[in-house]
This record gives sequence, C-alpha cells and structure tokens, in this order.
Amino acid sequence: QKEVEQDPGPLSVPEGAIVSLNCTYSNSAFQYFMWYRQYSRKGPELLMYTYSSGNKEDGRFTAQVDKSSKYISLFIRDSQPSDSATYLCAMSAEGGSYIPTFGRGTSLIVHP
Amino acid sequence: EAGVAQSPRYKIIEKRQSVAFWCNPISGHATLYWYQQILGQGPKLLIQFQNNGVVDDSQLPKDRFSAERLKGVDSTLKIQPAKLEDSAVYLCASSFFGSRDREAFFGQGTRLTVV
Repeated sequence: QKEVEQDPGPLSVPEGAIVSLNCTYSNSAFQYFMWYRQYSRKGPELLMYTYSSGNKEDGRFTAQVDKSSKYISLFIRDSQPSDSATYLCAMSAEGGSYIPTFGRGTSLIVHP
Repeated sequence: EAGVAQSPRYKIIEKRQSVAFWCNPISGHATLYWYQQILGQGPKLLIQFQNNGVVDDSQLPKDRFSAERLKGVDSTLKIQPAKLEDSAVYLCASSFFGSRDREAFFGQGTRLTVV
C-alpha cells in the first residue's frame, strides 16, 4: 500500500460544478497537508496548506482534513475551464525538515 | 520575485549517455529539492539540501545519480549512465527552512527522454 493514494481520474465536469478531489493516507505521523495544482508542462504550485485537522477556505477553494479517517479533500466551487489541471495532494510529518510525500495527482477537466 | 530557474527545459539522450540539469533557487531559500516525476505519477523526492549540506538522499540511485549544491545556491543533478527508466521530468524546488513556512516553490522542470 502506498503512503498516499489518489485517484488519477480524469474527472470531467461542466463549468460551474462543485468539484471534490480526495486523497487517503496511511502514515499517522503526517501533520501538514498540501494541495498543489500542476498545469501541463509546468511545475506544481501550492494552492492550499493545512496543519492537522479542520477546514481551510481560500476563495473558491476549501481544504478539509479528517485525521481520524486519514482522508483529505479539496473542494472547488463554481469551477472554471481555467481550473483544468492535475491536482496533487502532498503530506509531511512534524519536524524540522520538510519532505512531502505526493499523491499521483488527479486530472481535472472543466468543460464550458 | 523571480521563480526557480531550471535548464535545459528538454533533453533527449541515448541510454548509457550522461546528462546534467541545473537549478537556481529563489534568492534566500536555504532548502533545495530535486524531484523526479514520471508520467502519470506524483513527484518523488530524490535529494534535499539545506544550504550546501545533504539532508535526505535516501531515494537517490547513487550508483548513477549525483547532485551537488556549491556555495549553498545553485545546484546540479547528474545522471551517468542514463537508463530508459530515467525518462521523466526532473523538478527543482526551493523553500525557506523552518516549521512556520513549508511552502516549496517549483521550477518548470527538465523533461528528459532516454532513447
């Protein structure tokens, strides 16, 4: 079993839909949870960053962490064609060095 | 603020040849990472530097891969000799070090094709 599991998709939705992206993990030491967006032929860029459990909202994006279930989610409201990209979850444990473990990414396609 | 710079953007080599990638991190970022991203997979950490010292290189295939970060700024990743399975995008990232800020900024990557 991989430490971080993520469905590769693709996930195809119409413009304006609410999108739900998810990851599960097995390492209970993970405390930092990140979501990255990666456009084709570009490097990943950080979207959201959450410490421990709870929710965090930033504009149309909401990140949720449920440590009891080892499950994290990213919701995108009012999705736009420009949101079409691969979304990678990443996680790291407490400690001085930052070594995130990435999921394989979910490809999202938002069609007009 | 200038981003993480990587070169070249693309490289095609034959197996058993050698190749080198260069990375210039964001100014002031003490931590530098090299990741390998195979098509359809998430990035996998190869090596992490803190200034010019290695923090973690447990997933670096040391028989063929090497990396250095001279003077704690630019870094070079080398593969010698290359294998077909080394075909991937090699991403460099940098960040501040510390528990407060864990955001890593990625470069655009070098796409390597080994034929």
